[in-house]
Amino acid sequence: AQSVSQHNHHVILSEAASLELGCNYSYGGTVNLFWYVQYPGQHLQLLLKYFSGDPLVKGIKGFEAEFIKSKFSFNLRKPSVQWSDTAEYFCAVFRGATNKLIFGTGTLLAVQP
Amino acid sequence: GAGVSQSPSNKVTEKGKDVELRCDPISGHTALYWYRQSLGQGLEFLIYFQGNSAPDKSGLPSDRFSAERTGGSVSTLTIQRTQQEDSAVYLCASSLGGGQPYGYTFGSGTRLTVV
Repeated sequence: AQSVSQHNHHVILSEAASLELGCNYSYGGTVNLFWYVQYPGQHLQLLLKYFSGDPLVKGIKGFEAEFIKSKFSFNLRKPSVQWSDTAEYFCAVFRGATNKLIFGTGTLLAVQP
Repeated sequence: GAGVSQSPSNKVTEKGKDVELRCDPISGHTALYWYRQSLGQGLEFLIYFQGNSAPDKSGLPSDRFSAERTGGSVSTLTIQRTQQEDSAVYLCASSLGGGQPYGYTFGSGTRLTVV
């Protein structure tokens, strides 16, 4: 079935560690890719997005993601995490044919001070 | 309003009762989406409204679920004969148009608990 997969369900890191969260999708054709973040008790917020052009996308708070078309991947990275990055992170794919965002199951990141 | 407003923020109901969840989108946003967020399941698409077009109901899990959008603005999601597996956070989002995914704004959700 066509889907969005986030293989890391729960990640625990110490402050200053590097972060990489995996995201793979199985849709063919043109897709738009997103990472959303949900801090404890807050709304879902857009972290970054990829539509076209440079496959390395930079978002807010030092996050970046790289679109690798051949691998159907859009992994999220941050060189040095902070305690305030503790949140749940969702990868999402938008297909124009369906006009809706399809989300992965989310990755819960806990950063220990 | 400035954001997407959902009410109630929390709802506890007894199994078998009907519930109505409300979403008030950002003024001028023609597209409105409902998602369900369950532990370990991520965000599950439920239904999508775009202007006056027929809604995309492909994500509704059963015929106990229905939604309407009156006057192209406020939307109500109704769950009839609630079951324990309906317990989740129900999120609403709106955007300027269906083809503009970067414009999704999410509400804070309604946490539904069926006891």
